Amino acid sequence: GAVVSQHPSWVICKSGTSVKIECRSLDFQATTMFWYRQFPKQSLMLMATSNEGSKATYEQGVEKDKFLINHASLTLSTLTVTSAHPEDSSFYICSAREGGEYTEAFFGQGTRLTVV
Amino acid sequence: GQNIDQPTEMTATEGAIVQINCTYQTSGFNGLFWYQQHAGEAPTFLSYNVLDGLEEKGRFSSFLSRSKGYSYLLLKELQMKDSASYLCAVLDSNYQLIWGAGTKLIIKP
Repeated sequence: GAVVSQHPSWVICKSGTSVKIECRSLDFQATTMFWYRQFPKQSLMLMATSNEGSKATYEQGVEKDKFLINHASLTLSTLTVTSAHPEDSSFYICSAREGGEYTEAFFGQGTRLTVV
Repeated sequence: GQNIDQPTEMTATEGAIVQINCTYQTSGFNGLFWYQQHAGEAPTFLSYNVLDGLEEKGRFSSFLSRSKGYSYLLLKELQMKDSASYLCAVLDSNYQLIWGAGTKLIIKP
């Protein structure tokens, strides 16, 4: 299957700082990328959907000014957690889709963020 | 509201067969996905069903009944490495993926 690379795999940051997470599709062009958040023993929670060259669509309850998403090219999307707080500590996962809605989504490795 | 139900946890023996069920109530249906997720890792794709019936792929098979809002994932010849969470997700009428909470499968020797 196609490869999606997410970086970093884990990060520890101080409260109040910002953290950027990258998601790259290595061998295909991702028309759509998704960002998820997952708390322990819970389901994936979709945060936002982004299409290359346009603004991300955020899910209800997700602060767009806090979770900045940029999908500047067909192979790269970034999620920046601004002014991070301990409650932002979580597992963040990106996924990318090459084709239309019926095609499978390929997931990055995930990023475990710990805010201290 | 939209709802996907899966058992929270299941236990099975190495070499045996296990069936993980998923029932859904969503606004529209455009297909159902099964993903495998090992602890601390991202999900990996297992199967996609949009028509009724059984899709077989090696040791894993997935079944769908749209009229019953029901799917199952069948794992045969269980191996220890199959210990993971199995996530059911439905593509609704807006082409949004609605995720179940996952079923944690524990394999015992």
